[in-house]
Amino acid sequence: GENVEQHPSTLSVQEGDSAVIKCTYSDSASNYFPWYKQELGKRPQLIIDIRSNVGEKKDQRIAVTLNKTAKHFSLHITETQPEDSAVYFCAASLAGGGADGLTFGKGTHLIIQP
Amino acid sequence: NAGVTQTPKFQVLKTGQSMTLQCAQDMNHEYMSWYRQDPGMGLRLIHYSVGAGITDQGEVPNGYNVSRSTTEDFPLRLLSAAPSQTSVYFCASTFTGQGGSPLHFGNGTRLTVT
Repeated sequence: GENVEQHPSTLSVQEGDSAVIKCTYSDSASNYFPWYKQELGKRPQLIIDIRSNVGEKKDQRIAVTLNKTAKHFSLHITETQPEDSAVYFCAASLAGGGADGLTFGKGTHLIIQP
Repeated sequence: NAGVTQTPKFQVLKTGQSMTLQCAQDMNHEYMSWYRQDPGMGLRLIHYSVGAGITDQGEVPNGYNVSRSTTEDFPLRLLSAAPSQTSVYFCASTFTGQGGSPLHFGNGTRLTVT
């Protein structure tokens, strides 16, 4: 089955700086790559996703890049703010979406230092 | 529009007891799934369903049963609870089909087995 590795497990950055979280996946057939943000005690919520026919996608301060050849994708957050502090999960799916279940990375705890 | 509703929010069981975690969605999603979340382990898929009457196993199905008699409901049953099943459980749903679609998570059930 699919295996998703996520790094780093903890990331501390100064407010205003950029943060980058990286994920690799094992199955070249995976074609859907979402990122979820989870605040303490709350449910995961989608922040951005990308499909295998796109190399980059941006939404305000958040961007995701995908390198299909290397089988890795990254989340970029610019001008970080205190409310960006949370755990971020990457995921990969073989099907056209969630139909066969997303495989998640183990998460990155992002800490924004004031 | 309630989205994905999970009950109960918290539950404490003794080893060997049984219980059912409830999940309901009102978005007419074909796909529903159960994940467990443990510290440092990310989200792991337990069982999923692509429609009423259809269920399948995920990564960690042992000790859990599911059924899907309606599109809206997808209960998760623990027949004989074990301390290893202490976790936070999330139900999630989405549309199936090509192109990819994000998972909508419920608020979670925090289960403790003593």
